[in-house]
Amino acid sequence: SQQGEEDPQALSIQEGENATMNCSYKTSINNLQWYRQNSGRGLVHLILIRSNEREKHSGRLRVTLDTSKKSSSLLITASRAADTASYFCATGFQGAQKLVFGQGTRLTINP
Amino acid sequence: NAGVTQTPKFQVLKTGQSMTLQCAQDMNHEYMSWYRQDPGMGLRLIHYSVGAGITDQGEVPNGYNVSRSTTEDFPLRLLSAAPSQTSVYFCASSYFGAGFDGSYEQYFGPGTRLTVT
Repeated sequence: SQQGEEDPQALSIQEGENATMNCSYKTSINNLQWYRQNSGRGLVHLILIRSNEREKHSGRLRVTLDTSKKSSSLLITASRAADTASYFCATGFQGAQKLVFGQGTRLTINP
Repeated sequence: NAGVTQTPKFQVLKTGQSMTLQCAQDMNHEYMSWYRQDPGMGLRLIHYSVGAGITDQGEVPNGYNVSRSTTEDFPLRLLSAAPSQTSVYFCASSYFGAGFDGSYEQYFGPGTRLTVT
């Protein structure tokens, strides 16, 4: 069964607005990654946050992690049409030798 | 660097046929993995390898076989294709350090879209 669950499953906003996606997970993790997938393409790594970190930034991306609530959020500021994609969280565990992906949030940016 | 390459891009099989999906990477990554992606299901891990000669099962291994004879290549074999194996298959690779905790960026190939009729 999937470890991470993204919310919402789909999100549609106007260009220039901010987009927030959430990921919840069930068991303790060592780190959490976010990936983007454009239609018909492979996944591309966006950002990694470790369990001892609360917030990370990368350009227009801001990721937060709340280990007490077992949740993470990805904020994309000043969205652009090119941000239209599916976004997945993936959780990593000590010694597990694998990542577990969530089901993804499909983001549509309307011009 | 070509990164992670997958062949073929598209494939149609009849039930019962077998085939091999190819995956290669030129980044000298120890860790390689295969996922399948179905609508609304996200990515599910089929098999993975932490180095040449070492493979292990993921979440959905039934009906698939893998081997890792070199660092670069990690082929996925469908033994007897079934309609339930219709999916998009992704290969990924990453570094693998001692005490691996999933903290390395995964590099994904472009995928193989497989249809089993």
